[in-house]
Amino acid sequence: AQSVTQPDIHITVSEGASLELRCNYSYGATPYLFWYVQSPGQGLQLLLKYFSGDTLVQGIKGFEAEFKRSQSSFNLRKPSVHWSDAAEYFCAVGGRNFNKFYFGSGTKLNVKP
Amino acid sequence: EAQVTQNPRYLITVTGKKLTVTCSQNMNHEYMSWYRQDPGLGLRQIYYSMNVEVTDKGDVPEGYKVSRKEKRNFPLILESPSPNQTSLYFCASLLSGNAPYNEQFFGPGTRLTVL
Repeated sequence: AQSVTQPDIHITVSEGASLELRCNYSYGATPYLFWYVQSPGQGLQLLLKYFSGDTLVQGIKGFEAEFKRSQSSFNLRKPSVHWSDAAEYFCAVGGRNFNKFYFGSGTKLNVKP
Repeated sequence: EAQVTQNPRYLITVTGKKLTVTCSQNMNHEYMSWYRQDPGLGLRQIYYSMNVEVTDKGDVPEGYKVSRKEKRNFPLILESPSPNQTSLYFCASLLSGNAPYNEQFFGPGTRLTVL
């Protein structure tokens, strides 16, 4: 069965520290992978996506993610977190025919001053 | 401006009273989808539509109906809402089911409370 697991429900980091949010997926075929961010009371904004090619993808706001097929992972990273990064982050997987999409349960990021 | 709009944004209703949440996109996208977001569960797909008159079930379709009579609109219908359908609902669209460089554009969300 297709699924996405984000093992960390809450993460707190200090401003300026590095960040890594974990995402593992289970999918029967080669997936498309996405990370979204949702600020409080807001909709979802796409941070980055992986379809093929280079397994390290760059996104907006200084985020990057690395696709590791052998580990079925697509972890999100940022070298230096800003207070404005406090939000909830969702990993998602979709099929190559763009029909069904599966989201993780989300990771809430708190940023300490 | 390219966007996905949803109406209403907030709705409080009572059990059993039929309601419709509208979704419209102005990007000529073929694919549209509905999700519900619940705390600790992330987003779960309710229904999706690959094109006009083509709809299919997502992971949590029970209690919902959809229709796709025109490309731009994809209403979500709750024939007999129940309290377990209290949730935050998002509509999304993307250009084509087979283009590898697409992304889903999400609407602002509709917060539904069923009493």
